[in-house]
Amino acid sequence: EAGVTQSPTHLIKTRGQQVTLRCSPISGHTSVYWYQQALGLGLQFLLWYDEGEERNRGNFPPRFSGRQFPNYSSELNVNALELEDSALYLCASSWTTWTDNSPLHFGNGTRLTVT
Amino acid sequence: GNSVTQMEGPVTLSEEAFLTINCTYTATGYPSLFWYVQYPGEGLQLLLKATKADDKGSNKGFEATYRKETTSFHLEKGSVQVSDSAVYFCALSRNTGGFKTIFGAGTRLFVKA
Repeated sequence: EAGVTQSPTHLIKTRGQQVTLRCSPISGHTSVYWYQQALGLGLQFLLWYDEGEERNRGNFPPRFSGRQFPNYSSELNVNALELEDSALYLCASSWTTWTDNSPLHFGNGTRLTVT
Repeated sequence: GNSVTQMEGPVTLSEEAFLTINCTYTATGYPSLFWYVQYPGEGLQLLLKATKADDKGSNKGFEATYRKETTSFHLEKGSVQVSDSAVYFCALSRNTGGFKTIFGAGTRLFVKA
């Protein structure tokens, strides 16, 4: 079974630019989550998509947005990049939204550096 | 609201030492509890989970017991190896119709040969 795949693995952008990150969930998973991991440690929840709908959003400005496609893959868009957006962006997927015990399956992330 | 608190790191141990990483939680109802591990340069992987009180999750020599009375889910391993060096995240999942999984801040473990 293929795991969660993210692309690209690394990205360098300049302040003010826009970036799109991509995620393909494990086959059969309908939920996709995006997290920001700055400073190599804590995870900050960004967005949750399920069945093509945005279900929840973390405490991030509107320039962070995304979408989920009919095949359940997802994109994260960040506009007007700022230096503090430099981080590892992790995508995760899970089987179902309506039970508590479905673990998240993570990709290896996209390392974004903003200069 | 729901939250997870885990001990600050880094934790540095010698090979074959006993490991405990403390984790406590605050949640309504009965959440599921997880430990995830992140090796350098990788995403998080599920290490173990427990879905109800007194359940013990175990994997790769690691164990954690869901303690409802103390709202804790401490991670333990009897004899750590250098290859266990990683960041460990405690997490809870409580589907309240919105946000699901809440992570602790992570604890970095270094194991010396």
